[in-house]
Amino acid sequence: GAVVSQHPSRVICKSGTSVKIECRSLDFQATTMFWYRQFPKKSLMLMATSNEGSKATYEQGVEKDKFLINHASLTLSTLTVTSAHPEDSSFYICSATTGTTEKLFFGSGTQLSVL
Amino acid sequence: AQSVTQLDSQVPVFEEAPVELRCNYSSSVSVYLFWYVQYPNQGLQLLLKYLSGSTLVESINGFEAEFNKSQTSFHLRKPSVHISDTAEYFCAGGRCSNYKLTFGKGTLLTVNP
Repeated sequence: GAVVSQHPSRVICKSGTSVKIECRSLDFQATTMFWYRQFPKKSLMLMATSNEGSKATYEQGVEKDKFLINHASLTLSTLTVTSAHPEDSSFYICSATTGTTEKLFFGSGTQLSVL
Repeated sequence: AQSVTQLDSQVPVFEEAPVELRCNYSSSVSVYLFWYVQYPNQGLQLLLKYLSGSTLVESINGFEAEFNKSQTSFHLRKPSVHISDTAEYFCAGGRCSNYKLTFGKGTLLTVNP
């Protein structure tokens, strides 16, 4: 089956650091990727939709300058948490799909801890 | 807007007991419905889905869910659980099967020996 690789799986950063999270589709071309945030005991919150070659579409309440998304190729999307602070600590998950499949494929997630 | 409600945040059961994880969705639009499972420290994996056709759908590991339009429900059931079924289970719905799903808040299933 299709595989989505997400790195890093876990990262601890000092407050004020910018952190980049990568999401790669390993064996298919992902025309669309999604970024989610998952709080403890909470559901996934869709942050943004990323289409290859165009600007990401952010959900209401998500700061686009805080969470920079780049989908430069059909196999890679990156989420950069700029100047991260402790309140940005969370589990971030990406998912990817192609234009010809009915399925979403999820990365394994990134646990970001900002101290 | 679409909404998905999981009524139970935690469900503890004993091994080999039956279990039902409840999920209700808003009926403002017709949707596709899914159950995803998240094992500790892992991403989400699709467990089963309802797109059309038979309202009873099954997974390969013994779970099943039934789409009930009149009750706007898509409850997940298993007649006999194993300790390895311990995980967080998410119900999700969307207008498209691969686009902008709305997730419930999840139900932590804990299977005790």
